[in-house]
Amino acid sequence: AQRVTQPEKLLSVFKGAPVELKCNYSYSGSPELFWYVQYSRQRLQLLLRHISRESIKGFTADLNKGETSFHLKKPFAQEEDSAMYYCALSPSYNQGGKLIFGQGTELSVKP
Amino acid sequence: NAGVMQNPRHLVRRRGQEARLRCSPMKGHSHVYWYRQLPEEGLKFMVYLQKENIIDESGMPKERFSAEFPKEGPSILRIQQVVRGDSAAYFCASSPGQGTSEQFFGPGTRLTVL
Repeated sequence: AQRVTQPEKLLSVFKGAPVELKCNYSYSGSPELFWYVQYSRQRLQLLLRHISRESIKGFTADLNKGETSFHLKKPFAQEEDSAMYYCALSPSYNQGGKLIFGQGTELSVKP
Repeated sequence: NAGVMQNPRHLVRRRGQEARLRCSPMKGHSHVYWYRQLPEEGLKFMVYLQKENIIDESGMPKERFSAEFPKEGPSILRIQQVVRGDSAAYFCASSPGQGTSEQFFGPGTRLTVL
């Protein structure tokens, strides 16, 4: 079965602390993995994708096929990082098609 | 480019009524997706359409729900005889299609069934 799991519903950290939002997936093929973010009162937007291997707003995520994980990390959290974060999987590599989302993790960065 | 547009943003219906949700994709995008988000849950895929074609409706409930994306005009998600359990946020996304899996999301329509 195709499934994305984000075990933490809420993650609360202080400004400047490291952040790791966990994402595990279940898929037999070669998926494409994404992190989407939704800031307060804004629409869902793409944060990063595993194939681009880039760092956006200080966030990085590495696809670990052995552990079937795609955890999102940032070394020093900022207050403006507070948002809902969704991990998503596309079974159709670069071919369009549905996204399978995790339940989401709310990140709260306290001053 | 105004991005993906959805209307209405909020829709209130009584049980048994019909709900029509509209989605205009980004300019140049010919692929549209609908997702539903129930309270405290993630987004769940419902249907994937291209112009005049349903490509994947594996997430659509078998009854009361239908979707279309006509040659002209927005994509429509239609829910007949709504029930309280249909209350949710419905998100539309669009993409150019082949060559990318990235989707661009609209602001969503929040449906409340009384």
